[in-house]
Amino acid sequence: DIQMTQSPSTLSASVGDRVTITCRASQNINSWLAWYQQKPGKAPKLLIHTASSLESGVPSRFSGSGSETEFSLTISSLQPDDVATYYCQQYKSYSYTFGQGTKLEIK
Amino acid sequence: EVQLVEAGGGLVQPGGSLRLSCAASGFTFSDYYMDWVRQAPGKGLEWVGRIRNKRNSYRTEYAASVKGRFTILRDDSKNSLYLQMNSLKTEDTAVYYCGRPGGSYSGGYFDDWGQGTLVTVSS
Repeated sequence: DIQMTQSPSTLSASVGDRVTITCRASQNINSWLAWYQQKPGKAPKLLIHTASSLESGVPSRFSGSGSETEFSLTISSLQPDDVATYYCQQYKSYSYTFGQGTKLEIK
Repeated sequence: EVQLVEAGGGLVQPGGSLRLSCAASGFTFSDYYMDWVRQAPGKGLEWVGRIRNKRNSYRTEYAASVKGRFTILRDDSKNSLYLQMNSLKTEDTAVYYCGRPGGSYSGGYFDDWGQGTLVTVSS
């Protein structure tokens, strides 16, 4: 299986900060990568697919980049509503796999 | 509006069985592949498996951790997805979500999720 490794595991930042979460794949997944946001007690919400395509309705402060094995999710100006855990997911091949998650907090 | 509603979770003893269901509405269910994803308490997301559509012979894929114990089924006449879980282990304790592929009927990411149903495996 393809392993997905996110960093950092937890991140504390101030409102208005630019925040970046990285995701590394254990092998080349081209651009077959998605990012999700999950708030406590809720189902995950799709933010980004195909590494950099913003899902409809997602605020433009979210962006994704990368290809092959190195990817990142950036929030250009952190808002209080962005407090959540973020997951990357590869869908290059079965079994689909997720990163371990990055918990984002407000300082 | 797409809706996915899971049901059937509960407390089951190790070695027992349980069948989860996911009722779908708001889209042409029969066209879509469908997936199950789970999340153990306080842990990350784990893909469980997928069932393809009739055009692709309802073929299934499973994570290694559940292969041979779990079976994904669907009833297109009822717009329903099922997860038959046998030989349950304590490590199967999780919230189970059904997910609809995004982008196309066979996409690899999930743009719609149910609310989840909790399965607890404990004696």
